[in-house]
Amino acid sequence: RKEVEQDPGPFNVPEGATVAFNCTYSNSASQSFFWYRQDCRKEPKLLMSVYSSGNEDGRFTAQLNRASQYISLLIRDSKLSDSATYLCAVNPRDGSGNTGKLIFGQGTTLQVKP
Amino acid sequence: EAQVTQNPRYLITVTGKKLTVTCSQNMNHEYMSWYRQDPGLGLRQIYYSMNVEVTDKGDVPEGYKVSRKEKRNFPLILESPSPNQTSLYFCASSSGLAGVYEQYFGPGTRLTVT
Repeated sequence: RKEVEQDPGPFNVPEGATVAFNCTYSNSASQSFFWYRQDCRKEPKLLMSVYSSGNEDGRFTAQLNRASQYISLLIRDSKLSDSATYLCAVNPRDGSGNTGKLIFGQGTTLQVKP
Repeated sequence: EAQVTQNPRYLITVTGKKLTVTCSQNMNHEYMSWYRQDPGLGLRQIYYSMNVEVTDKGDVPEGYKVSRKEKRNFPLILESPSPNQTSLYFCASSSGLAGVYEQYFGPGTRLTVT
């Protein structure tokens, strides 16, 4: 089982739709969680950090479910410009403590159509 | 402007010819990391550094070297490149403040080894 797993998609949705992605992680001691957006082979850009209480930024909402070991990203009122690959990232804690390492999922591709 | 820079952005080289990809950040971040990204395999960590003169292997370190002589710079060295190192490479950095490891990425270096 991969340490961080995402459904690669693609998710094809019409403009205005609400879409949700999940990301599961295997290390229950993981500390920090993030969503990144990556456009067509450009660098990943931090979209949101995911806090235990959930995090909302405009049309984007991120949630953490520690019991089931997954994080989610909800996008409301999808825009054409939301088309991208969304990567989740998890900061695990290993036996040597927190090394600052991030483990990335393979990404979920979203295509928003007119 | 806070940023991570990489050079070169594109490089075509031949098998066995040593090369260095430079990475520099101006945010006084302690943590720096190198990733490679390949289709179907996602982002994989090559090496990381938690501070000056402190480096450690990531998940795919074979064929690579790094050094961290200054806080701002973290070059990636391929002593004898091979075609299987053809990939898209990203450098990233984070502050690690308050135990949160949001990473910020450079623009990427597309390397082709023939």
